[in-house]
Amino acid sequence: DADVTQTPRNRITKTGKRIMLECSQTKGHDRMYWYRQDPGLGLRLIYYSFDVKDINKGEISDGYSVSRQAQAKFSLSLESAIPNQTALYFCATSMGTYTGELFFGEGSRLTVL
Amino acid sequence: AQSVAQPEDQVNVAEGNPLTVKCTYSVSGNPYLFWYVQYPNRGLQFLLKYITGDNLVKGSYGFEAEFNKSQTSFHLKKPSALVSDSALYFCAVRLSGSARQLTFGSGTQLTVLP
Repeated sequence: DADVTQTPRNRITKTGKRIMLECSQTKGHDRMYWYRQDPGLGLRLIYYSFDVKDINKGEISDGYSVSRQAQAKFSLSLESAIPNQTALYFCATSMGTYTGELFFGEGSRLTVL
Repeated sequence: AQSVAQPEDQVNVAEGNPLTVKCTYSVSGNPYLFWYVQYPNRGLQFLLKYITGDNLVKGSYGFEAEFNKSQTSFHLKKPSALVSDSALYFCAVRLSGSARQLTFGSGTQLTVLP
C-alpha cells in the first residue's frame, strides 16, 4: 500500500459544484501539504499543516479550504469549483524539519467543466 | 524572496551519454536545494538535496548534483543516461532558517533516446 494515499484519483465535475479531495498517510509525519500542478508552472503550494491545530495558507489558497481531521488525514475542498481549478493536485508529507524531503501521493486529477 | 529557474523545458539525450538538467536559484541567504523526479502518472519522488557541506551531492538512481554558490546553480547530472531516466524533473529551493516552504521550478522534461 502507498504511504500517501489520495482519493479520488480522477474526478470530473461541473462549475459551481463542491469538491473534496482526501489524503491519508501512514508515514507518521506531522507535516502535510496540498500542491497544485499545472503544465509549465511546476508545483504551487495551496495549504500546509504542521499539526492538527496548525493550518497555513500557501501561495494560491484563494478558492480552496482545508481540514486536518487527524495527524494522518488532510483534505482539500473546493467550495464552488471553477474551470481554472482544473489541474493535478498532490498531497505530500514531511518530517518536522525544514531540511526534510517531501513524500508525495499519486495525485488527483480534477477536471471542472 | 526565493525563486528557482529551470531554463530548459525539454532536454533530449542519447542513451549512454551524460545528461545535465539545469537549475538556478535566487534566495536572500543560504539555500536548501532539492531535486525531484516525476514519472508519468505518478507523484514526485525525492532524488537528492543540498543542505550544507560538500558541494557535490549524490542521490538515487546514480544521479548527482553540484551546488555552485557563485553561479547560484544546482545542476542535476548523470554520467550515463538510461531510457528509464525519461521523466519530468523539478528543482526546488528554500531559504535556510526561514519558515517559507519550498518553491518549485517549472520542470524539465528529460527524454533519453535509445
